Amino acid sequence: EAQVTQNPRYLITVTGKKLTVTCSQNMNHEYMSWYRQDPGLGLRQIYYSMNVEVTDKGDVPEGYKVSRKEKRNFPLILESPSPNQTSLYFCASSVQMSNQPQHFGDGTRLSIL
Amino acid sequence: EDKVVQSPLSLVVHEGDTVTLNCSYEVTNFRSLLWYKQEKKAPTFLFMLTSSGIEKKSGRLSSILDKKELSSILNITATQTGDSAIYLCAVPRGGSNYKLTFGKGTLLTVNP
Repeated sequence: EAQVTQNPRYLITVTGKKLTVTCSQNMNHEYMSWYRQDPGLGLRQIYYSMNVEVTDKGDVPEGYKVSRKEKRNFPLILESPSPNQTSLYFCASSVQMSNQPQHFGDGTRLSIL
Repeated sequence: EDKVVQSPLSLVVHEGDTVTLNCSYEVTNFRSLLWYKQEKKAPTFLFMLTSSGIEKKSGRLSSILDKKELSSILNITATQTGDSAIYLCAVPRGGSNYKLTFGKGTLLTVNP
């Protein structure tokens, strides 16, 4: 079954404690992207990756890092999380570009206290 | 600055009603517009509209792109409670094949 898998699904943590949200897709997609969804602000793009070792900033990259060492994996790293990063995070992938249908993971609800 | 604006932000209807959701955009080098449906979890793809494919239909859902008005509508006829969801519109940003801007979404509630 084609899917994008995110882990963890829920996390409550404290300010400053580094965390990683993993994302893996099994469709051999080249394009992957991270979004955060906040009430009243909708989905906003954090980072994206066009292919292995190629990543770039989206609209709200501050406080986040990503890496793409393998095609299937695209982890999101919060080196020093702060309360304003409390949000619902989605990872998505598509064949090659953003103007193609994206498959989304089920989301990670992150609470930073 | 590229913009995608959806209206209304929320809508409550009764089963059987027909609804029309709107998405207007301001982006350079427009290529496509995508509609997604988000129920409790992940957004799922509905339609993609381009200059060469300005109308799409699937069952009770249909969507039209108006390039002159820089907008798109999503129609749902004979609504059912299962249509209750957030409907998202997204447009790839001008000049990039990789950046994507979403509207804030329309929350549709269909009451029995």
